[in-house]
Amino acid sequence: DTGVSQDPRHKITKRGQNVTFRCDPISEHNRLYWYRQTLGQGPEFLTYFQNEAQLEKSRLLSDRFSAERPKGSFSTLEIQRTEQGDSAMYLCASSFEIGSNNSPLHFGNGTRLTVT
Amino acid sequence: QQQVKQSPQSLIVQKGGISIINCAYENTAFDYFPWYQQFPGKGPALLIAIRPDVSEKKEGRFTISFNKSAKQFSLHIMDSQPGDSATYFCAASPTYGGSQGNLIFGKGTKLSVKP
Repeated sequence: DTGVSQDPRHKITKRGQNVTFRCDPISEHNRLYWYRQTLGQGPEFLTYFQNEAQLEKSRLLSDRFSAERPKGSFSTLEIQRTEQGDSAMYLCASSFEIGSNNSPLHFGNGTRLTVT
Repeated sequence: QQQVKQSPQSLIVQKGGISIINCAYENTAFDYFPWYQQFPGKGPALLIAIRPDVSEKKEGRFTISFNKSAKQFSLHIMDSQPGDSATYFCAASPTYGGSQGNLIFGKGTKLSVKP
């Protein structure tokens, strides 16, 4: 168990550019979440997957954001036409859920995005 | 609309003292209440969690107290140590038919433990 892995750790981009982040969850976890955390705030839910199906999206997830989880393994989060307001830490988390048997969320160390 | 309110925003405690962080929630559908600890540059890590069928849960120096009627829960850190200096987040989520809902986090409390 190597934990939740996120890549890159840091990304600096210019406004208007597209960026993509990757998350590798804990291998046996079937749920994968994306959260966003701005300075001095708690993480805010963006979206989650159960296996390869994206089951819920927050209103925070504008149409410039898209997330995928092909084959139910790793996930990518893409932000198109980045804006300065997108600057934040993007956190990935994973958990295991079968029926009423749930594991806690395990977070990765995040990707810090700076839009200049 | 902030569904989980956390206080204080920051806390300074002497080594060996007790740190107390409070949270209040609004949604009566919430039935899972974890606390996460976050160090700078790291993701949040689960510290301890409670469900409303118990009023208190203790793990080592960390205790959650839960008051269902007041819709409040708190984290107590006994014998606080400088290594406990971090940001602490309370969170809450509902369960829908056995399936865990998404976590709603408080804004965090930055704890500094002075040696």
